Amino acid sequence: AQKVTQAQTEISVVEKEDVTLDCVYETRDTTYYLFWYKQPPSGELVFLIRRNSFDEQNEISGRYSWNFQKSTSSFNFTITASQVVDSAVYFCALGASNAGGTSYGKLTFGQGTILTVHP
Amino acid sequence: ETGVTQTPRHLVMGMTNKKSLKCEQHLGHNAMYWYKQSAKKPLELMFVYSLEERVENNSVPSRFSPECPNSSHLFLHLHTLQPEDSALYLCASSQVGLAGVGDTQYFGPGTRLTVL
Repeated sequence: AQKVTQAQTEISVVEKEDVTLDCVYETRDTTYYLFWYKQPPSGELVFLIRRNSFDEQNEISGRYSWNFQKSTSSFNFTITASQVVDSAVYFCALGASNAGGTSYGKLTFGQGTILTVHP
Repeated sequence: ETGVTQTPRHLVMGMTNKKSLKCEQHLGHNAMYWYKQSAKKPLELMFVYSLEERVENNSVPSRFSPECPNSSHLFLHLHTLQPEDSALYLCASSQVGLAGVGDTQYFGPGTRLTVL
């Protein structure tokens, strides 16, 4: 069975601080994908990144960076120099085939981390 | 970003009403999804349509009835709902690949439903 754990329920930081959101996953599949989504107060889940299980290179996109470590089954997300506009709920998700496979990209979501950035 | 649109954005209905939620995707995708997001609960997958065929129904009560007339449109018909059905209903779409794994889902803004 697939499982995603985001142990941090809520994080509060002051603007310009760096913040890391943790994500730990469980799967028996050798091929899988990991995602991060951002949900601002407006409600829409905004896609941020997708990584496959064969690519452990860290990725940086502006103030965002992701650290994928297969050895610890983690895919952590760091925001550098946080801004008030980063305040949102962040979801980590796992896309794996599961037993028997599926005909679509089923995602297992974590519980989400509420990030509040204060001015 | 208007890849996936949902209407209405807010809906208040009584338990005896019948209403429908609409989702439209402009991304050329071949799979569409309905999720329910309640306060303090993880996202719950409700229904999946792949190539216009329903491929998943996660034990959703029959008072929720999905319809997918074509690959761009998805509806969720609601009738005799309960107050506990109040939630944010999110629609998503993806392009299903051969492996069926790892497709990126793109979400709409959601419909905030309140059942009185």
